Amino acid sequence: DGGITQSPKYLFRKEGQNVTLSCEQNLNHDAMYWYRQDPGQGLRLIYYSQIVNDFQKGDIAEGYSVSREKKESFPLTVTSAQKNPTAFYLCASSAGQGGETQYFGPGTRLLVL
Amino acid sequence: EDKVVQSPLSLVVHEGDTVTLNCSYEVTNFRSLLWYKQEKKAPTFLFMLTSSGIEKKSGRLSSILDKKELFSILNITATQTGDSAVYLCAVGTSGGSYIPTFGRGTSLIVHP
Repeated sequence: DGGITQSPKYLFRKEGQNVTLSCEQNLNHDAMYWYRQDPGQGLRLIYYSQIVNDFQKGDIAEGYSVSREKKESFPLTVTSAQKNPTAFYLCASSAGQGGETQYFGPGTRLLVL
Repeated sequence: EDKVVQSPLSLVVHEGDTVTLNCSYEVTNFRSLLWYKQEKKAPTFLFMLTSSGIEKKSGRLSSILDKKELFSILNITATQTGDSAVYLCAVGTSGGSYIPTFGRGTSLIVHP
């Protein structure tokens, strides 16, 4: 069953703590993306990766970091430098070159304690 | 800077009504416009439009693109409570990496 998964569903962060959100896909897609969604807002791009071992900053990369060591995986770390991390985080993938439809994971809701 | 504007931002209707959602855009090197439906979690793909004037249809949903006036509409006829969702519009451009720009979405609530 092909798809994209995210974990955990909910995540709580304490002050000064780094947390990592997982994103895995078995669609054999080259491109992967991380978005942040706040209430009443659209999707804002945090980071994206078009190929393994390469990634680029999106519009709101400050306070976040990513890695792309495997094609299937694109974890996002929310660092303590991100002062307002409470949001819904969506991971997406697409086939890459010429593949424009994005497939989204179910999201992770991050809350600050 | 690429811009995608959706209107209205929210809409409340009754079952059986017809709704029209709008998406206008200002981008450099337009490639495609996509509509997604987001119910609670993951947005799911509805339509991709690349050519003007060609209607895409799926059941009670349809969409059309006007590349001259730079907008698209998404129509839902005979709405049902299951149509309640946020509808997102995204515009992709050509050249370099494919990074779509999303609008803020239209929140549709359908009352029984």
